[in-house]
Amino acid sequence: DIQMTQSPSSVSASVGDRVTITCRASQGIRWLAWYQQKPGKVPKLLIYATSSLQSGVPSRFSGSGSGTDFTLTISSLQPEDFATYYCQQANSFPITFGQGTRLEIK
Amino acid sequence: QLQLQESGPGLVKPSETLSLTCAVSGGSISSSTDYWGWIRQPPGKGLEWIGIIYHSGSTQYSPSLKSRITISVDTSKNEFSLKLISVTAADTAVYFCARYTTASGWFDPWGQGTLVTVSS
Repeated sequence: DIQMTQSPSSVSASVGDRVTITCRASQGIRWLAWYQQKPGKVPKLLIYATSSLQSGVPSRFSGSGSGTDFTLTISSLQPEDFATYYCQQANSFPITFGQGTRLEIK
Repeated sequence: QLQLQESGPGLVKPSETLSLTCAVSGGSISSSTDYWGWIRQPPGKGLEWIGIIYHSGSTQYSPSLKSRITISVDTSKNEFSLKLISVTAADTAVYFCARYTTASGWFDPWGQGTLVTVSS
């Protein structure tokens, strides 16, 4: 199984900050997806195929990376961005998710 | 607009079978490009992939659950289902269904999720 490790597990930041979340795969993968989940809500697809922005997602979100190291960047945090973020690989079965990164208000 | 909706009992007794159905609307479950999947999330924890199914019935399952799960599809009803046998309290979770796009592998859209509690 490909293990996905996100860092940090939690981060505190302020509105307007630039935030980067990292996802590391235990072996090289081709593609990565990122999801945002707010408490009690459904996960929302933000980024697919590593760097493609899902329709309707603000352009302050971006994804990059290759091989084993991937990042999700929020260029200027907005109040509605405080949530938990998950990465997910589908390079091979079983599909696996990272453990999540909780983004909190400082 | 494609929408998915889970349904099934919210309470299951230990050792019994959890059965959920996901109704797909606004699109065909027989799409050639899509699989259909189940993901769960125990209270306060992260996301766990359960499995996916193609309209032909071809499946991929999580190895950790493979011995206990069956995912099936009913194209005539445009829905797919999950059965999980011999449940324990560890199977208590919000269960989501979602479309899985195979091009580079992502889940979207998701159903709203249904909480299944395993308790006597």
